[in-house]
Amino acid sequence: DVKVTQSSRYLVKRTGEKVFLECVQDMDHENMFWYRQDPGLGLRLIYFSYDVKMKEKGDIPEGYSVSREKKERFSLILESASTNQTSMYLCASSWTGRTDTQYFGPGTRLTVL
Amino acid sequence: GQNIDQPTEMTATEGAIVQINCTYQTSGFNGLFWYQQHAGEAPTFLSYNVLDGLEEKGRFSSFLSRSKGYSYLLLKELQMKDSASYLCALNAGNNRKLIWGLGTSLAVNP
Repeated sequence: DVKVTQSSRYLVKRTGEKVFLECVQDMDHENMFWYRQDPGLGLRLIYFSYDVKMKEKGDIPEGYSVSREKKERFSLILESASTNQTSMYLCASSWTGRTDTQYFGPGTRLTVL
Repeated sequence: GQNIDQPTEMTATEGAIVQINCTYQTSGFNGLFWYQQHAGEAPTFLSYNVLDGLEEKGRFSSFLSRSKGYSYLLLKELQMKDSASYLCALNAGNNRKLIWGLGTSLAVNP
């Protein structure tokens, strides 16, 4: 079974803090993704990575950065958290193949006060 | 461009059958996914259709018509635990990224 884990289920931070969200997958997947999910807006792609040290911007990268130093780990960084970054953050991974099926971690509910 | 549409909400009764539709427009097509997402949890993979027709997997079936840009998820013998959001996602061959619909929230009532 594919296992994708995220560092926290719930996180509360203050405006201006630097926030790190970590994601680890154990299936040797090449591709990893960070999404945020908000009511009425669906899943929106923030960044993705198709290899170690490689990254590409998604649809809403502003205010975020990412790091992929090892194949199994993909970190999302909020340099200076703001209240409009309060959201559910979901990490996913996929293997480059015929289907590109994405497997999700449990999600991190981030609240920025 | 690419676009996906699915109804926002649906309601059904326990034991009944429900069909959740998804229509899409795209220039490239590799396949179409259905995911299930319970409230507060992550999406989980249900099905992937590449070719036209119906694919059955237990109580859940998924249908695809590529010429019509149309898919549906059919849920039979509905159970309370089927209350969830159902997400349609398009694999348009877009560099490993998927295009996600906004999801259909299904409420199953006793």
